[in-house]
Amino acid sequence: DAGVTQSPTHLIKTRGQQVTLRCSPKSGHDTVSWYQQALGQGPQFIFQYYEEEERQRGNFPDRFSGHQFPNYSSELNVNALLLGDSALYLCASSLLPDGNTGELFFGEGSRLTVL
Amino acid sequence: GQQLNQSPQSMFIQEGEDVSMNCTSSSIFNTWLWYKQEPGEGPVLLIALYKAGELTSNGRLTAQFGITRKDSFLNISASIPSDVGIYFCAGQDSGGSNYKLTFGKGTLLTVNP
Repeated sequence: DAGVTQSPTHLIKTRGQQVTLRCSPKSGHDTVSWYQQALGQGPQFIFQYYEEEERQRGNFPDRFSGHQFPNYSSELNVNALLLGDSALYLCASSLLPDGNTGELFFGEGSRLTVL
Repeated sequence: GQQLNQSPQSMFIQEGEDVSMNCTSSSIFNTWLWYKQEPGEGPVLLIALYKAGELTSNGRLTAQFGITRKDSFLNISASIPSDVGIYFCAGQDSGGSNYKLTFGKGTLLTVNP
């Protein structure tokens, strides 16, 4: 049973560029959440997708956008990259109603470095 | 906004010792969770708590949901080297349309064999 898979695992971009990160949820899960984890910090909620709609959004600028596809996979897009966007981006999946209880399954993350 | 204060920031212990860490919040949560993160990995759920006062165990791990719903603690008994990692508390206010988890900054645990 495949867990949450993310790609790419590592990437380097320069300021002003755009990046797309991808996530496949755990088999049978229909809800995908994205978190940003800066070095030495806990994960910070970016947004959650369910039924191809953004269901809830955290305190992140509009440069951060996402999408969920009919097969439940998801993308996170970040435009006009800033140095401060350097972080580990975590995708987590869950299945309603578990999606309401916080029992999230995380992927290994995509490590983004912005130079 | 909601903030979680997790302590201690780091612990260095000898194998076999017991460990205790805790988390306090400025606001109430309906669910408390404890995750462990190892280098190069995403967080893994250890214990989930859903009711004030609840005490739950998972092997050598025990966690409690505080009566005030503003705190939680995690105990690890008889630590072993594979307990090394960063432990995060997380809270969820599942009222209304809130689905996000709020995480603490983590407790880095080092176990000396």
